[in-house]
Amino acid sequence: AQSVAQPEDQVNVAEGNPLTVKCTYSVSGNPYLFWYVQYPNRGLQFLLKYITGDNLVKGSYGFEAEFNKSQTSFHLKKPSALVSDSALYFCAVRDNNNDMRFGAGTRLTVKP
Amino acid sequence: EAGVAQSPRYKIIEKRQSVAFWCNPISGHATLYWYQQILGQGPKLLIQFQNNGVVDDSQLPKDRFSAERLKGVDSTLKIQPAKLEDSAVYLCASSLVLGGGGYTFGSGTRLTVV
Repeated sequence: AQSVAQPEDQVNVAEGNPLTVKCTYSVSGNPYLFWYVQYPNRGLQFLLKYITGDNLVKGSYGFEAEFNKSQTSFHLKKPSALVSDSALYFCAVRDNNNDMRFGAGTRLTVKP
Repeated sequence: EAGVAQSPRYKIIEKRQSVAFWCNPISGHATLYWYQQILGQGPKLLIQFQNNGVVDDSQLPKDRFSAERLKGVDSTLKIQPAKLEDSAVYLCASSLVLGGGGYTFGSGTRLTVV
């Protein structure tokens, strides 16, 4: 079965600095990879996805993610963090059976 | 377009009581999902519907949880009887087609079992 690992529970960055939230995955077959963001008392919001094509995927709010097949990673990145980016971020992987598995989440805190 | 609607937003019940959650997906979305998100963890899939049929319920604790989507539109998730460990946020999501891209999630129902 597919699985996702988010090795960092917490990421702290200063506003204006680049941010990276890490994700590695395990899946048989072609991976469908996703990033979601969750603000307090809100549902998950879709940020971006990788299905096929370019390894660098651009998504909402200036976020992007790089698919690396050899390292089985799909790290989320943003060149310049905003305080409003502070939230809980989830990486997810879906296999050909359409069962989407989520990581445990990484709490991003951007300090002014 | 309107989002995925869920109700109630919050529910507090005593253990061994029953509870039901309701979800109305985005109009036209054939696939509907129920997830359980325990505090500090990522969402875990409970059940997946395609129209009114169950695609995957392998992680649904069927001795106490049940779900239905009778007309292929809105869905109800029930817990009977509830246990303390059922305290979680229950998220409903929908997607246009099976295997479609990202899901759209509702705001969830926060259940506290005391």
